[in-house]
Amino acid sequence: LAKTTQPISMDSYEGQEVNITCSHNNIATNDYITWYQQFPSQGPRFIIQGYKTKVTNEVASLFIPADRKSSTLSLPRVSLSDTAVYYCLVALNYGQNFVFGPGTRLSVLP
Amino acid sequence: DAGVIQSPRHEVTEMGQEVTLRCKPISGHDYLFWYRQTMMRGLELLIYFNNNVPIDDSGMPEDRFSAKMPNASFSTLKIQPSEPRDSAVYFCASGRGHQNTEAFFGQGTRLTVV
Repeated sequence: LAKTTQPISMDSYEGQEVNITCSHNNIATNDYITWYQQFPSQGPRFIIQGYKTKVTNEVASLFIPADRKSSTLSLPRVSLSDTAVYYCLVALNYGQNFVFGPGTRLSVLP
Repeated sequence: DAGVIQSPRHEVTEMGQEVTLRCKPISGHDYLFWYRQTMMRGLELLIYFNNNVPIDDSGMPEDRFSAKMPNASFSTLKIQPSEPRDSAVYFCASGRGHQNTEAFFGQGTRLTVV
């Protein structure tokens, strides 16, 4: 069973790039890595998903090294509205396991 | 599409009472998940369904919890009898396809058991 660890909290300033790393040492061959964002009083919202190397979409990038034992969510030029809790999730292919990590509370300061 | 719809949004009940939480997934999604979120334990997967069939219920804390999905557009999570330690936010989410970790979450039901 893949387990994930993340920093509890991070602070940043508007306009900076933020990198949040998740460790998943016993990730299985078929596990995908997914990141979610959660605002207070709302359900988590999908950000990005990847299996290896680098994935980029309109809001973030996801970097996964060759050994896949960690992954880094990169948020370019954060704004105050990016203040939220960010979760990584490691899931087996074909969806056998959906367990969220502990989450990283990102605070973006003006 | 209105997204995943959960009801009620808030529920306050007395210990020992039965509680039923409801979820309408996004049309066309073949996976449905029930999660519970607390400060102490974070987001916990309780159970998930694929094509209305329960696949993994290992997260259901005990026999007081049960979940059903009678059709593709409706699911319930029932707690009977409820206890104060069941107080939490319960989320329903739905997704589609094999690489289905792109789950769409509802707004959640905040349950308080007094």
